[in-house]
Amino acid sequence: DGGITQSPKYLFRKEGQNVTLSCEQNLNHDAMYWYRQDPGQGLRLIYYSQIVNDFQKGDIAEGYSVSREKKESFPLTVTSAQKNPTAFYLCASSPLSGLPRRTDTQYFGPGTRLTVL
Amino acid sequence: GNSVTQMEGPVTLSEEAFLTINCTYTATGYPSLFWYVQYPGEGLQLLLKATKADDKGSNKGFEATYRKETTSFHLEKGSVQVSDSAVYFCALVSGAGSYQLTFGKGTKLSVIP
Repeated sequence: DGGITQSPKYLFRKEGQNVTLSCEQNLNHDAMYWYRQDPGQGLRLIYYSQIVNDFQKGDIAEGYSVSREKKESFPLTVTSAQKNPTAFYLCASSPLSGLPRRTDTQYFGPGTRLTVL
Repeated sequence: GNSVTQMEGPVTLSEEAFLTINCTYTATGYPSLFWYVQYPGEGLQLLLKATKADDKGSNKGFEATYRKETTSFHLEKGSVQVSDSAVYFCALVSGAGSYQLTFGKGTKLSVIP
């Protein structure tokens, strides 16, 4: 089945530790995204990538890092510099269309709930 | 810049009631408009979309019409079910070369039997 997978579904971290969230897609989409969602809040963009080996900061990139070594994969590292990392993290991907290219429908994974103990 | 404003929730309805969730937007150019749904503990799923003025998106009994004159994309359903209980997000993408979706803050819907 085509889709986006995120792992793990639940993640617990001690303060001061870095942790990496996995995101994989087999939809052959060019663009991938990471969002953060807090209770009762909308989505805030952390990082996005339109092409392998390139990525851009979103609205709340501080304390996070990403890599895009393969088209299918876009892992997110939550570093110890992130002051309040407890949240629900969503990965998404989308095809790009038009000239100049822009995002179309974004497809979301099931999410990872990170809790800092 | 782009922005999306949704009616604040939560919205509580009885089963078989009529649903409207308002969404208005501000955007440069000609945006594409989306409604996403999020069930508890899950990611977002695309519910419907419209890419140009007067288009109507529809899916699973939900409908929304792209109204350029009122910059709106209100979500409607004629008869809601308990299984429709979820959070609904309105979103848009606009501008050549834009890679970001702009989301509203979401509206939580609870349907009671």
